[in-house]
Amino acid sequence: AAGVIQSPRHLIKEKRETATLKCYPIPRHDTVYWYQQGPGQDPQFLISFYEKMQSDKGSIPDRFSAQQFSDYHSELNMSSLELGDSALYFCASQGWGMNTGELFFGEGSRLTVL
Amino acid sequence: RKEVEQDPGPFNVPEGATVAFNCTYSNSASQSFFWYRQDCRKEPKLLMSVYSSGNEDGRFTAQLNRASQYISLLIRDSKLSDSATYLCAVNVGGSQGNLIFGKGTKLSVKP
Repeated sequence: AAGVIQSPRHLIKEKRETATLKCYPIPRHDTVYWYQQGPGQDPQFLISFYEKMQSDKGSIPDRFSAQQFSDYHSELNMSSLELGDSALYFCASQGWGMNTGELFFGEGSRLTVL
Repeated sequence: RKEVEQDPGPFNVPEGATVAFNCTYSNSASQSFFWYRQDCRKEPKLLMSVYSSGNEDGRFTAQLNRASQYISLLIRDSKLSDSATYLCAVNVGGSQGNLIFGKGTKLSVKP
């Protein structure tokens, strides 16, 4: 079965650079969530989209923005990168009718900021 | 105080042992509860939802105690493949909901 696809899987950037992460949800899933997981930390909710509209916002820095496109894929744009942004970024998707909280996660994009 | 708290462990148990994890949550308005499993450097995967009446899936049993605001996960007859970090997750509602995760409890099952 198709899963959540994230790209790139690994990304190395310098401080103050920008980065874009992409997420392709499971087909027919209309909700996308972004989470950030630092080393040894729990996943922290950043932002979510439902039917291409932002549905909820968590601890996403102002330097980050995201959107969901007409084909339901989502992109997380990160600017003015800081060392503390180094983390694993997960995208998760959920389909209509599924129990809230039953999320399918992608394998993550590992961002390293030098 | 963190909204969702777990004992980080590690819990080191022999194969075949029974092990239990607890998770406490601070928001009494929390609506739904889950256990996720995360292997090292991998994505979280839903293990089971936790219902008020408790639920069982094979060797795994989850319980919810709303009065005391905690959920538990019991693993019977531990297997080597159960070694992972178990994340407690709570949904406090909101638009489509988002999950607040605990830091996870690390389980290591030894031969």
